[in-house]
Amino acid sequence: DTAVSQTPKYLVTQMGNDKSIKCEQNLGHDTMYWYKQDSKKFLKIMFSYNNKELIINETVPNRFSPKSPDKAHLNLHINSLELGDSAVYFCASSQRGGLQETQYFGPGTRLLVL
Amino acid sequence: DQQVKQNSPSLSVQEGRISILNCDYTNSMFDYFLWYKKYPAEGPTFLISISSIKDKNEDGRFTVFLNKSAKHLSLHIVPSQPGDSAVYFCAASARASGTYKYIFGTGTRLKVLA
Repeated sequence: DTAVSQTPKYLVTQMGNDKSIKCEQNLGHDTMYWYKQDSKKFLKIMFSYNNKELIINETVPNRFSPKSPDKAHLNLHINSLELGDSAVYFCASSQRGGLQETQYFGPGTRLLVL
Repeated sequence: DQQVKQNSPSLSVQEGRISILNCDYTNSMFDYFLWYKKYPAEGPTFLISISSIKDKNEDGRFTVFLNKSAKHLSLHIVPSQPGDSAVYFCAASARASGTYKYIFGTGTRLKVLA
């Protein structure tokens, strides 16, 4: 009964390919996030959705497109993968407006672009 | 420009002693701070948080101190245990401005020696 799950856990692919990473949360939260942790270990927000609406969209190439079919899912599609996309991608969820808002993270997807 | 900094990439502490992890921030709009703990190959897990209206928050062995004038927060772990060995991230957000974007530090790797 994992709270925030991501698939796949590992992804090795060639440059130029298109790939998707899926995220699901069973916590009943209304907000979901995608973070990227690069080789320097910076954990940076990419996108956030609240009730299926995009609320945070950082400076991310257009090749990255998030999709939220419902409140429990936030998928990340990446077109024309580049070497620099190699990183660990974390999904997270939270419930907005609480006194103590905590983000719950998934286990991460390790993407390696060759 | 890194708004949240953890200047010590690593820290080693003897079991039973106090571990002190530090975090500095530059944005005076930040009003909510969290500490996360991360084990290898797992996502970050929430540890403790503090709002800017407080200067201390305690939860068991973990205490977070906030010094707003110095824009500094610290996490104290007493007593330290080998299971505390992990990477610790601090994060900050400016909730009063309506944003729920969290800025993370680069982490401090804590090693508790038995």
